[in-house]
Amino acid sequence: AQKITQTQPGMFVQEKEAVTLDCTYDTSDPSYGLFWYKQPSSGEMIFLIYQGSYDQQNATEGRYSLNFQKARKSANLVISASQLGDSAMYFCAMREGREGTSYDKVIFGPGTSLSVIP
Amino acid sequence: DTGVSQDPRHKITKRGQNVTFRCDPISEHNRLYWYRQTLGQGPEFLTYFQNEAQLEKSRLLSDRFSAERPKGSFSTLEIQRTEQGDSAMYLCASSLFVAEAFFGQGTRLTVV
Repeated sequence: AQKITQTQPGMFVQEKEAVTLDCTYDTSDPSYGLFWYKQPSSGEMIFLIYQGSYDQQNATEGRYSLNFQKARKSANLVISASQLGDSAMYFCAMREGREGTSYDKVIFGPGTSLSVIP
Repeated sequence: DTGVSQDPRHKITKRGQNVTFRCDPISEHNRLYWYRQTLGQGPEFLTYFQNEAQLEKSRLLSDRFSAERPKGSFSTLEIQRTEQGDSAMYLCASSLFVAEAFFGQGTRLTVV
């Protein structure tokens, strides 16, 4: 079963505007973490932001913020003031564990392709 | 430390041959992951190590795939009797406890 869903295969945004990339997830473990990665055309995976399941505040890192709605199991990425260099694939990822153990693995969603228009 | 290192960066092999990839994680990272990524798709989980122990292997992996992490440091991923469907980017990542995973540049495999 798909554990991470990204329903937007492709998105366009005007330069300097804000954009929201959607991510929903499914887990039965109470302790988990959510990540967003950026993959430009060069291929490297770049870590952007992290949200722990017990974190009270939404994570922010510069122009990136994570809109975490735990009850809805969503972890949307908001990019403010888009720049041309933001054009890339964006992947939502989840670290899921097994309670009482140190087990964890990180799985990825299918990704959203973001294009920033000048 | 300069990050996660993968070798080789590119590999072209004939169908039926065996290939082995190496991943050197960031020093002291106890978790190491292998993923496979095809064009336009997200990284697909293959296997995961915590120190030297292989804790999980994807059911998607056939018996032709094997991975090791002796002494809990570098890891190797071997594919035996390669098939054209094995052509993909193979990504390695490492992390420390519950922090984010850092990725290598990947090994691009082409099976001809």
